[in-house]
Amino acid sequence: KAGVTQTPRYLIKTRGQQVTLSCSPISGHRSVSWYQQTPGQGLQFLFEYFSETQRNKGNFPGRFSGRQFSNSRSEMNVSTLELGDSALYLCASSPLQQGARTGELFFGEGSRLTVL
Amino acid sequence: DAKTTQPNSMESNEEEPVHLPCNHSTISGTDYIHWYRQLPSQGPEYVIHGLTSNVNNRMASLAIAEDRKSSTLILHRATLRDAAVYYCIRVGGATNKLIFGTGTLLAVQP
Repeated sequence: KAGVTQTPRYLIKTRGQQVTLSCSPISGHRSVSWYQQTPGQGLQFLFEYFSETQRNKGNFPGRFSGRQFSNSRSEMNVSTLELGDSALYLCASSPLQQGARTGELFFGEGSRLTVL
Repeated sequence: DAKTTQPNSMESNEEEPVHLPCNHSTISGTDYIHWYRQLPSQGPEYVIHGLTSNVNNRMASLAIAEDRKSSTLILHRATLRDAAVYYCIRVGGATNKLIFGTGTLLAVQP
């Protein structure tokens, strides 16, 4: 069974640009969530989607957005990139409607974004 | 702001038990406690979770304090493959939001 796939794995952008990251969950998983990991702030929750609806959002500015498609694939977008957006962006999927609460999250290997 | 705190690092010898503590003193009654671990260049991997009672699975045990303000992940016999960063996570019972702890880097000596 294929795991969670994130693309691209690595990318470099410059300040002011925008970026779109993609996540394909494990087949049959309908809950997808996104996280930002930085050395300074650690792991932080960005948002969670279930059946194309955003259910929860973390404390990030509106420049960070996401969506989920009918096949459960998800994308996140960061507009007007800042240096501080350099991070590893992780996606996770869950087979349960309850998402992370009562079950296991399956993480991808992440997309490493560098903003110059 | 809600905080989930863990020691920065711990060391263990191979084949010995390891107790990884986590303080979540502001946890609400419906928050779940999860533990994940992360190896270099990989995404986090699920270890165990619980709500009020102690939990056991094939990987580890989770001991939750009676007042739920702290918990301990127990690896019964550490192996070299257990060397990783271990995260204690509060998962909102109503919100499903994850609040990550600071993480403990576990080193296992042969």
